[in-house]
Amino acid sequence: DAGITQSPRYKITETGRQVTLMCHQTWSHSYMFWYRQDLGHGLRLIYYSAAADITDKGEVPDGYVVSRSKTENFPLTLESATRSQTSVYFCASTGGFNQPQHFGDGTRLSIL
Amino acid sequence: KQEVTQIPAALSVPEGENLVLNCSFTDSAIYNLQWFRQDPGKGLTSLLLIQSSQREQTSGRLNASLDKSSGRSTLYIAASQPGDSATYLCAVYQGGSEKLVFGKGTKLTVNP
Repeated sequence: DAGITQSPRYKITETGRQVTLMCHQTWSHSYMFWYRQDLGHGLRLIYYSAAADITDKGEVPDGYVVSRSKTENFPLTLESATRSQTSVYFCASTGGFNQPQHFGDGTRLSIL
Repeated sequence: KQEVTQIPAALSVPEGENLVLNCSFTDSAIYNLQWFRQDPGKGLTSLLLIQSSQREQTSGRLNASLDKSSGRSTLYIAASQPGDSATYLCAVYQGGSEKLVFGKGTKLTVNP
């Protein structure tokens, strides 16, 4: 199916653990993004990628790592999870900034 | 630094009413503006994208207008329905940075 998919949809883990959130898009979009959405803060950009092997920091990158070895995949890793990283994480993609940005359904991550 | 504001944060209307959602931005040097819809537990869905050279865009019962000089956009929803209940977010793309700046959204409830 065409679109953008995130996995897992829900994840519970403990502080200090490493966790990876997956994002896959089938449009061959150049740009991909990771956001977190928290009550009171709205959507905040964590990292983004303009193409395979090109990534850059967004507004709140600390504690996160990304990679993009293939155009269609953009995993987000929390190297040592903290409670403050409990959030809903959204992946998005676009072919360019004159085009709409498409979002996945999100991963709800709880860190105990 | 670009800031996007959406007022009110929440709005409740009876079914059938025509309504307007507001979005304002502090820096008028934008390339485009997008309106998104977010249903509970879901990602964002792009509704309309207005380029800076355009004054408005229409899709079905939705009409979005843009006044760059005053830093404002409105989303007009005609003949509202309970299915329109969702959170509506606007976002601007400024160029020079590969990011959208989002407002925090207006939560719309349409009562049957």
